[in-house]
Amino acid sequence: QQQVKQSPQSLIVQKGGISIINCAYENTAFDYFPWYQQFPGKGPALLIAIRPDVSEKKEGRFTISFNKSAKQFSLHIMDSQPGDSATYFCAARRYQKVTFGTGTKLQVIP
Amino acid sequence: DAGVIQSPRHEVTEMGQEVTLRCKLISGHNSLFWYRQTMMRGLELLIYFNNNVPIDDSGMPEDRFSAKMPNASFSTLKIQPSEPRDSAVYFCASSQGQLYGYTFGSGTRLTVV
Repeated sequence: QQQVKQSPQSLIVQKGGISIINCAYENTAFDYFPWYQQFPGKGPALLIAIRPDVSEKKEGRFTISFNKSAKQFSLHIMDSQPGDSATYFCAARRYQKVTFGTGTKLQVIP
Repeated sequence: DAGVIQSPRHEVTEMGQEVTLRCKLISGHNSLFWYRQTMMRGLELLIYFNNNVPIDDSGMPEDRFSAKMPNASFSTLKIQPSEPRDSAVYFCASSQGQLYGYTFGSGTRLTVV
């Protein structure tokens, strides 16, 4: 059972554009929603996270939008750069168990 | 801090052989997680420990898999006997507790032929 659904599977964005990745979850007991960034040959790295009592969180060019009633959340990358090219995973945590989405491979082209 | 350290980075072994993957936690972290990453199934949680005690091993696929945490800073994941379908990248991650996110190691790429 896939508890966190992520889309799109892949995304190509031009430099300077906005990258948007969407996720949906099923379990209302999740209490923490992190996003991870993974470069080839590396482990996932925590990028930004939000709690369900907050509707938006911004850190630099990265923003999470959270819609608790719809059980959806999304990552927006403003002014996307070639260095942002990586695989992005949304995730949801209950107690200490983190369930990951299937990942979105982002390519930012010059 | 050197971060979470995994060894080996790559392992190629023959079917039926025993494989041991190793992980050193970040100093001060008290929770340890083992994940497996494949193209088909993504990132799957295998097992996690708090303060050296296994809390949830429901993700361990079969009895061929076992994990230990002999002390606060070190863990092993053993597969015996290994099978080709075990081929994947295995990550360990550590955290300071429930309020914090994970820090992942760079992973061990396991190939069973």
